[in-house]
Amino acid sequence: DQQVKQNSPSLSVQEGRISILNCDYTNSMFDYFLWYKKYPAEGPTFLISISSIKDKNEDGRFTVFLNKSAKHLSLHIVPSQPGDSAVYFCAASAIRGGSEKLVFGKGTKLTVNP
Amino acid sequence: DVKVTQSSRYLVKRTGEKVFLECVQDMDHENMFWYRQDPGLGLRLIYFSYDVKMKEKGDIPEGYSVSREKKERFSLILESASTNQTSMYLCASSLSTGANYGYTFGSGTRLTVV
Repeated sequence: DQQVKQNSPSLSVQEGRISILNCDYTNSMFDYFLWYKKYPAEGPTFLISISSIKDKNEDGRFTVFLNKSAKHLSLHIVPSQPGDSAVYFCAASAIRGGSEKLVFGKGTKLTVNP
Repeated sequence: DVKVTQSSRYLVKRTGEKVFLECVQDMDHENMFWYRQDPGLGLRLIYFSYDVKMKEKGDIPEGYSVSREKKERFSLILESASTNQTSMYLCASSLSTGANYGYTFGSGTRLTVV
């Protein structure tokens, strides 16, 4: 049972346009959501996060939107740059026994074309 | 600024060999994790540890074991490597404070079993 779903394995956009990456979750107990970015042959790096009590968080070109009623979040990248080409993982967090446990989606490969 | 270090970036091992993947973190984190990443399957949790000498199975523990003798070090062991264990292996660590801080990942070890 996949609790965090990224239904688009890949996405291709033109440089300068908006990239929108989507993520759906099933467990209403998640209280924090994160996006990680991963280049080939490197480990994932933290990009941006949002608490479940908020509906938007912005950091430069990156904005994450959370729709709790729909159990859906999205990552917007504006404007997209070729260096943004990477695999993006959505993750949901819950505190279990005093420790944080992340559940990851399968990732979306973003390609930004010059 | 080194945080999570995996001892090898690339490894090639023969079928049946015993393989050790080492991970060290310098952030005094309580929690440590081992994932493998495969195309189309995302990040799959193999084992994790919330404390020294403590370990718990993740989603795909078969064929693997772990060791955590010191807080900063978490080792993944392939008892008898097989070709289906060819993968990118990622180590991660996190705080155990009951708060949502996400994970810090190492750079990964690309293991090829021939």
